[in-house]
Amino acid sequence: GAVVSQHPSWVICKSGTSVKIECRSLDFQATTMFWYRQFPKQSLMLMATSNEGSKATYEQGVEKDKFLINHASLTLSTLTVTSAHPEDSSFYICSARAGFLYNSPLHFGNGTRLTVT
Amino acid sequence: DAKTTQPTSMDCAEGRAANLPCNHSTISGNEYVYWYRQIHSQGPQYIIHGLKNNETNEMASLIITEDRKSSTLILPHATLRDTAVYYCIVRGNMEYGNKLVFGAGTILRVKS
Repeated sequence: GAVVSQHPSWVICKSGTSVKIECRSLDFQATTMFWYRQFPKQSLMLMATSNEGSKATYEQGVEKDKFLINHASLTLSTLTVTSAHPEDSSFYICSARAGFLYNSPLHFGNGTRLTVT
Repeated sequence: DAKTTQPTSMDCAEGRAANLPCNHSTISGNEYVYWYRQIHSQGPQYIIHGLKNNETNEMASLIITEDRKSSTLILPHATLRDTAVYYCIVRGNMEYGNKLVFGAGTILRVKS
């Protein structure tokens, strides 16, 4: 089945530093990937849509300069949290659509737990 | 995308069928119903999706009412490992960019 891999699975960083999270589609190509954020005991919140070869589309209220997204190839999208602060501590999850039909299901990575100290 | 309504939580005995309902009364003709689940501290796992016909795979069955305003996910023999948050999502508008918007979901607790 379709596999989406995220790395790292967890990371601890100091306030003010930047952290990069990778999302890879292992056995399929993904022109579009999605980045979500999840706070404890809450549902997933869509942050942005990552498009291969073009700029990402951000959801309302998400700072594009803080959450930099790069989708350089058909199998890799990266999310960089710049100048991280404790309030950025969260569970970040990526997903990608496996298949060319618009109703093809999205598959998710196992998430990255970010803790900013 | 149509909004969905799910019960906040449900309990199910191990070995019994778990029936998780979802209301999507404003669904439009080209929108699919998707089910995902999320086990604690993991990414969501795709379960099943359908348009209007009932669907079955190795994980579950999806029953969609004839008017498509509601659906039920059936786990035929629930195990303790099925304890998770289950999300019912309606998606279909291509202009919406294939995004999945998650609601609160249903917490399913399978008990021995």
